[in-house]
Amino acid sequence: AQKITQTQPGMFVQEKEAVTLDCTYDTSDQSYGLFWYKQPSSGEMIFLIYQGSYDEQNATEGRYSLNFQKARKSANLVISASQLGDSAMYFCAMSPQYQGAQKLVFGQGTRLTINP
Amino acid sequence: EADIYQTPRYLVIGTGKKITLECSQTMGHDKMYWYQQDPGMELHLIHYSYGVNSTEKGDLSSESTVSRIRTEHFPLTLESARPSHTSQYLCASSEYGPQGHTEAFFGQGTRLTVV
Repeated sequence: AQKITQTQPGMFVQEKEAVTLDCTYDTSDQSYGLFWYKQPSSGEMIFLIYQGSYDEQNATEGRYSLNFQKARKSANLVISASQLGDSAMYFCAMSPQYQGAQKLVFGQGTRLTINP
Repeated sequence: EADIYQTPRYLVIGTGKKITLECSQTMGHDKMYWYQQDPGMELHLIHYSYGVNSTEKGDLSSESTVSRIRTEHFPLTLESARPSHTSQYLCASSEYGPQGHTEAFFGQGTRLTVV
């Protein structure tokens, strides 16, 4: 069974600062993927970034990067130069590699608030 | 930008009513999903489909039912709504990304309130 743990229910950050959202996971699968999604107050889930378990390099997408530490089973999201529009819920998720989204397991989320 | 649409966005309905939540996607994806999400909480899978005439129940037990008669359409039905069904319902479809991982695209959700 897979499990995602996000220990920060809420975070408050000043605009333009970098922010790290924590995510730890547990799985018995050898090959898996880790995802981060953003959910604004409007409700939709927006895909941000993906990291494969065998990827040696940390994934980056614009201002988003994923700090992947396989031995520690952590996959923290780093947002550089935060903006007011980054205020939202952020969910970490994982699934076995090459499986459909029916195997996606989500964490409980972190509510990020960016202050001007 | 994802091409997956849910209607209605918000629905307030009385106990005992039958409701259908609509979900359509124009990306030609075979796989589609319904998730249930209570406010501020994680998503839980309630139904999924591999393609036309294929439906399966997800990890979270739900009294809702789904159908998949057309590739692009995956409606969810509650025969008799109850206050315990109050939640947000998110529809998604997926394809394999360039690295072989599943890339899921979500609709904007339907916020259902049963009074």
